[in-house]
Amino acid sequence: DSGVTQTPKHLITATGQRVTLRCSPRSGDLSVYWYQQSLDQGLQFLIQYYNGEERAKGNILERFSAQQFPDLHSELNLSSLELGDSALYFCASSVAGVLETQYFGPGTRLLVL
Amino acid sequence: SQELEQSPQSLIVQEGKNLTINCTSSKTLYGLYWYKQKYGEGLIFLMMLQKGGEEKSHEKITAKLDEKKQQSSLHITASQPSHAGIYLCGAFYGDDYKLSFGAGTTVTVRA
Repeated sequence: DSGVTQTPKHLITATGQRVTLRCSPRSGDLSVYWYQQSLDQGLQFLIQYYNGEERAKGNILERFSAQQFPDLHSELNLSSLELGDSALYFCASSVAGVLETQYFGPGTRLLVL
Repeated sequence: SQELEQSPQSLIVQEGKNLTINCTSSKTLYGLYWYKQKYGEGLIFLMMLQKGGEEKSHEKITAKLDEKKQQSSLHITASQPSHAGIYLCGAFYGDDYKLSFGAGTTVTVRA
């Protein structure tokens, strides 16, 4: 158990819908990262927050957004869902950011039908 | 990530035999991480190697970073069924805070 929690574990929804994935980092970690893992693209970095502020952005679609709240938990919002958004979404956390170990949560499996 | 190539893509090893996985970067590495993933589950941190060349060991797993080649290897000695899974290398390039991951190596250990 990495100490990073993610909810829900599984999510099934329809195209065009909007969903919210939630992540609670390890106690004491200020950085939260979101990744998407799919069979064709592998594990791709989406976005990072540090202590409530966006710090780095990767291959995140405009339909996706995230935020980190004062209690340091983070949410990833996915809207106007398409079939291709079906994937495993991981959250990871680290103390601060640079050259530190990122600990991954168990992931949320999203299936868009 | 095309910046990071893992090889082999998959391998099958007899229990008790050794195995090696390689991860080669096309850019200068500041840090290289190894993770293990069971299919459909989260990533488990194994080791982190820093720029300058390092070697670390934990139980039967040894990882090395060759700075000249910008390559890391993960070696498992006397493999066991518990070593089966997908091994992913992740690179930190120093220009941002993200990790770029390789495509992964699937390891099967046969009894």
